[in-house]
This record gives sequence, structure tokens and C-alpha cells, in this order.
Amino acid sequence: GAGVSQSPSNKVTEKGKDVELRCDPISGHTALYWYRQSLGQGLEFLIYFQGNSAPDKSGLPSDRFSAERTGGSVSTLTIQRTQQEDSAVYLCASSLEAEFEQYFGPGTRLTVT
Amino acid sequence: QKEVEQNSGPLSVPEGAIASLNCTYSDRGSQSFFWYRQYSGKSPELIMFIYSNGDKEDGRFTAQLNKASQYVSLLIRDSQPSDSATYLCAVNGMDSSYKLIFGSGTRLLVRP
Repeated sequence: GAGVSQSPSNKVTEKGKDVELRCDPISGHTALYWYRQSLGQGLEFLIYFQGNSAPDKSGLPSDRFSAERTGGSVSTLTIQRTQQEDSAVYLCASSLEAEFEQYFGPGTRLTVT
Repeated sequence: QKEVEQNSGPLSVPEGAIASLNCTYSDRGSQSFFWYRQYSGKSPELIMFIYSNGDKEDGRFTAQLNKASQYVSLLIRDSQPSDSATYLCAVNGMDSSYKLIFGSGTRLLVRP
């Protein structure tokens, strides 16, 4: 079946601009996660959605970052007023339910110039 | 102390050998353990998960978990050049069972 999809695959933006990253999870998966992978920082958790529960936003690095998940499916990660330190690969993952195995999408490589 | 530690490598093994990748974790409350393979420029791919002490085998891969020693390992038998990648160990965190804490990864090189 289809895996996790993300768009765009690459995004180059100027410092100070807003960006939106999209994630479409595996069909039937109720849990969705965003992670960020940057050189020297490894893979870090950003945010978690599970069904209609309040999301766990504890990993978001600043209030410039926000995410939503509409209809329990597609999720959008928004970064406002981008900074150079936001440059990274943003990875989305989904799992059948919380605590189950997480499957990653191909990622969005964000470059802030 | 990092929460999940891995030797960064590279670990170099000849084709056909057994590659042994190790990971230690600090949270005694962790219950779920995962191994991901990541090729350069690609996203992590789940290859093994283990929840109970002991060994779990899947094809050429064996995951080993020892909760008392807070140690999880991945063995790759009959290593192939196509196994050359970075292997990430991930462990669920104490404060939330769904939040994965990743190690920095071990780079594996399989020499033809």
C-alpha cells in the first residue's frame, strides 16, 4: 500500500518568510508525528497527533512553529518568520496507533537563505 | 549522558560477515525499541522492532534486547554492500510511550 507522503520534497525560502509543509499519513493510521533531522542534532521529535486528542507539542522549538491535523488525516507544519537555524529535513511519520511502529515519509528538505 | 547512545563508526565489515551494531539507553522505563536504516539522503526505514527481552529474528536481521543492562543490539548476518547505511536506534521515552528518542546512528560499511 501507499506509504507516508510529504510535500514539497525540497523547499528553499528566504529568511523571514513563512513556509508550510504537508504530510499525508498511511491510510488507517491514527497517530501522526513530526520530527526534524539536522546535521549535528540528529533526529528530534517535534509534535504528535492521535485521533481527536490534544496534540503533544512539547518538541516544538519555538512559537514560530505550529502544526495542525485536519479530519484526522493530513497534517500541515507551519514555520513562521523562518530563520537559518530552521534549515533541516522535516520528517513525518505515522503509526497504526500510539506506541506502535512508526513509518517515515521521504521528508521535506528546508533550506533558509 | 545522552539518552540513547551509539558508536558513530564507521563500522567496516567484509561482505558475508556478521555486522554487530550496539545501542545503550538511559531510561529504565523504556518498553519499545526500534532499529531504522537510513541511506544517505533518504529517510529512515524501519527494519526491526523488539519489545521483550531476548532475541527476535527476521531474515538476516536479529535484534537483541537486555533490559537489565539497558542494551539493545542489531546483528546483520551475511552482510551485503547494499547494507551499507547509517543504522539508527530508537527508544520510546519515559514521559510518553509514543515519543521516540533516537541515537545519533552508526555508519556501517560493507566491503565487497
